[in-house]
Amino acid sequence: TQLLEQSPQFLSIQEGENLTVYCNSSSVFSSLQWYRQEPGEGPVLLVTVVTGGEVKKLKRLTFQFGDARKDSSLHITAAQPGDTGLYLCAGARSSGYALNFGKGTSLLVTP
Amino acid sequence: ETGVTQTPRHLVMGMTNKKSLKCEQHLGHNAMYWYKQSAKKPLELMFVYSLEERVENNSVPSRFSPECPNSSHLFLHLHTLQPEDSALYLCASSQDVPSTVFPYEQYFGPGTRLTVT
Repeated sequence: TQLLEQSPQFLSIQEGENLTVYCNSSSVFSSLQWYRQEPGEGPVLLVTVVTGGEVKKLKRLTFQFGDARKDSSLHITAAQPGDTGLYLCAGARSSGYALNFGKGTSLLVTP
Repeated sequence: ETGVTQTPRHLVMGMTNKKSLKCEQHLGHNAMYWYKQSAKKPLELMFVYSLEERVENNSVPSRFSPECPNSSHLFLHLHTLQPEDSALYLCASSQDVPSTVFPYEQYFGPGTRLTVT
């Protein structure tokens, strides 16, 4: 059973468009992280959200943690080709070392 | 060097070979991890070390043998691997335990792309 479901699985858009990707679970997490991974590289941490309802902004990226701490979304405004990559969400529980990863959303932004 | 480094970046080995993957973290963290990333699958946690002690082993076959000589270095020793073991192997590090003080964040290395022939 997949703990974290990410949608959509694939997304191909043109430069300048806006997009939202989702990370959903039936489980509660103490914190949730978003990573971006480029082909052949390791995931790079973008943001950590901790408080239910929290919104964090990183330039054109806006991250939101659901009120119940079960889901999260990532919104990108005016996407650029440099945003291309695999976006992974990962949830942490209050105990244990494991991060529960989703399968990711593969984003392609074309000029 | 900063962050988490891994060597080699690419490795091709036969099923009868023995090789080792190396990971080093320069973040002052106390916990280190090995993950396996295969196509179309979520990252799979393999091993966790905290203060050089193995604290998690997620049903990984014995042909994978981890070693953590100190809190900055982590190795994954490989022997008699199978073609299905071909994958990207990622090392990560974090503060020791999930905490109410620090958000629990893991930092990844660039990975070793392993191909078993």
